[in-house]
Amino acid sequence: EIVLTQSPGTLSLSPGERATLLCRASETVSVSNLIWYQQKPGQAPRLLINGASTRATGIPDRFGVSGSGTDFTLIISRLEPEDSAVYYCQQYDSSTYTFGQGTKLEIK
Amino acid sequence: QVQLQESGPGLVKPSETLSLSCGVSGYSISSGYYWVWIRQPPGKGLDWIGTIFRSGTTYYNSSLKSRVRMSVDTSRNTFSLSLESVTAADTAVYFCARAQVGGIHYWGPGIRVTVSS
Repeated sequence: EIVLTQSPGTLSLSPGERATLLCRASETVSVSNLIWYQQKPGQAPRLLINGASTRATGIPDRFGVSGSGTDFTLIISRLEPEDSAVYYCQQYDSSTYTFGQGTKLEIK
Repeated sequence: QVQLQESGPGLVKPSETLSLSCGVSGYSISSGYYWVWIRQPPGKGLDWIGTIFRSGTTYYNSSLKSRVRMSVDTSRNTFSLSLESVTAADTAVYFCARAQVGGIHYWGPGIRVTVSS
């Protein structure tokens, strides 16, 4: 089973700044199989973008990704107050899924 | 517009079986994609439970495999989750969702299930 480890656990930044969220896999993951989600309190997660930079419908281009192999990064530029949420990376391989433990992004 | 809605009891006694159903509207399960169950214990992260295809083929999280069963009813456009011998550790919000290559695009709002006597 591929284990995903996210860092940092919590990130506190100001509006307008840039956030860098890391996701490390225990084995190589295809970029198209590495997905990022945003979850706000009391809501279901929302798909943001995959590791190949394909954004879901309605996701602004402030959300970007980089990385390959075992190390992936979600980059959120020009932070806005509504970006405050928990962000999860997820991979799927051979019809099984695993999630990272999440990074909580706080906007000051 | 694709919509999913979980239904089932919000309270289950320890050692009993948790049974949830997911109703799908705006898309026919028999047309394809993958149908998944994911849970989130209070204050914790997301755990994939399993995936079922329209054919009935299933894939389960290895940590739950001995207790979980998923099924699909294309005539009612629903799919279901059954989790046996529950304990307090199974207390969580349970989400049903539609997955595809590229991620999980559609989620139900989630249903809170508490395991308690």
